[in-house]
Amino acid sequence: EDKVVQSPLSLVVHEGDTVTLNCSYEVTNFRSLLWYKQEKKAPTFLFMLTSSGIEKKSGRLSSILDKKELFSILNITATQTGDSAIYLCAVVGNAGNMLTFGGGTRLMVKP
Amino acid sequence: EPEVTQTPSHQVTQMGQEVILRCVPISNHLYFYWYRQILGQKVEFLVSFYNNEISEKSEIFDDQFSVERPDGSNFTLKIRSTKLEDSAMYFCASSAESAIYTEAFFGQGTRLTVV
Repeated sequence: EDKVVQSPLSLVVHEGDTVTLNCSYEVTNFRSLLWYKQEKKAPTFLFMLTSSGIEKKSGRLSSILDKKELFSILNITATQTGDSAIYLCAVVGNAGNMLTFGGGTRLMVKP
Repeated sequence: EPEVTQTPSHQVTQMGQEVILRCVPISNHLYFYWYRQILGQKVEFLVSFYNNEISEKSEIFDDQFSVERPDGSNFTLKIRSTKLEDSAMYFCASSAESAIYTEAFFGQGTRLTVV
């Protein structure tokens, strides 16, 4: 059974801080890893990673995958209150057409 | 920007009743999914649907659940006889290609409350 573990469970920072969110996984026949941001309801897509060592970047957010050590990190620099959300990590494995989600990291950014 | 739309946003039903949750996926997408999230828990996969048939389903997706694409735009999840433990947020998602190759886009969800 595929497994995704995220840490920390929750995090409180102040605006301007940099945060690193962690995602480790155990997957049969790994295909891809995805990061989503969940603010109120719908998870919104951030990144999809398939290759080790290649950083994906979008503004202040970046992510990288290590397929040897079976983890990914999501970095957010110069955090803003609008970054407050639950960040979800998910993997696609042997089953193909399904995402297995981790429990999420709840990030709160204080002014 | 195209988006996945779900209706209703909130549904309250009595235990044992049938419910149908509706979704309109993004128009050129070919793969469709249902996920659920019980309050305070992980997002869990229910079912994926491609080419008018189920391609994957989880253990949660038992005989009381069914999916249908009744026309070219809607994708529905039916729960035949609801139980209290079916109370959750149900998310519909769609993707242009298989989840192996491309991201899935999620709708805003339907909060189902079974009383």
